[in-house]
Amino acid sequence: EVQLVASGGGLVKPGGSLRLSCAASGFTFNYAWMSWVRQAPGKGLEWVGRIKSKASGGAIDYAGAVKGRFTISRDDSENTLYLQMDSLKTEDTAMYFCTWVERRNALVQPASDHDYYYYMDVWGKGTTVTVSS
Amino acid sequence: DIQMTQSPSSLSASVGDRVTITCRASQSISSYLNWYQQKPGEAPKLLIYGASSLQSGVPSRFSGSGSGTEFTLTISSLQPEDFATYYCQQSYNTPRTFGQGTKVEIK
Repeated sequence: EVQLVASGGGLVKPGGSLRLSCAASGFTFNYAWMSWVRQAPGKGLEWVGRIKSKASGGAIDYAGAVKGRFTISRDDSENTLYLQMDSLKTEDTAMYFCTWVERRNALVQPASDHDYYYYMDVWGKGTTVTVSS
Repeated sequence: DIQMTQSPSSLSASVGDRVTITCRASQSISSYLNWYQQKPGEAPKLLIYGASSLQSGVPSRFSGSGSGTEFTLTISSLQPEDFATYYCQQSYNTPRTFGQGTKVEIK
């Protein structure tokens, strides 16, 4: 069974740090692109960032709101995705979901990463982060 | 960043109604558009990818259309389990961005 289990959430003071983990099972993690998505209480979904597989170059992209403060990493030997969150702000309070980014051909013969449709079909249950003094 | 705008923000409908939700992108995103459904306390569920491709296991009453900057999600005959919030998301470039959501409520 494909499964993502996020952990590490909790209460932290503004300016503090927290590291989230996401344990993956049931699929070939080292070839998977992975993302973090968050949802503030009563609000909509917000994409946090994505890490490509090492086979695809391992590039990492972030949303502007977290760039320079959050770091996404992965340990393929442990099938685990991480989100290191530093300089936390009250507006970072949210449920954090890890997701498996899958893809399908957008063209008959894809020539680059841009020639695929990317979507998030597998989501973890989420872990809650509260930033408050 | 590409801005995604959904309309309406909420709607009330009855079981059996045909429901249409619109999503507009601030620039052309070709067909790089996904739709998700989220129920309270649950993680989102993928419904549609590539603007119109139905994800495996999703009922055929859901359909997506559009390309460029304007997209629609249609539920042909609303069922009790469809009352939820729906989000569009572009996968044209990073940062990936979501619409603000459309809440479908019971009339």
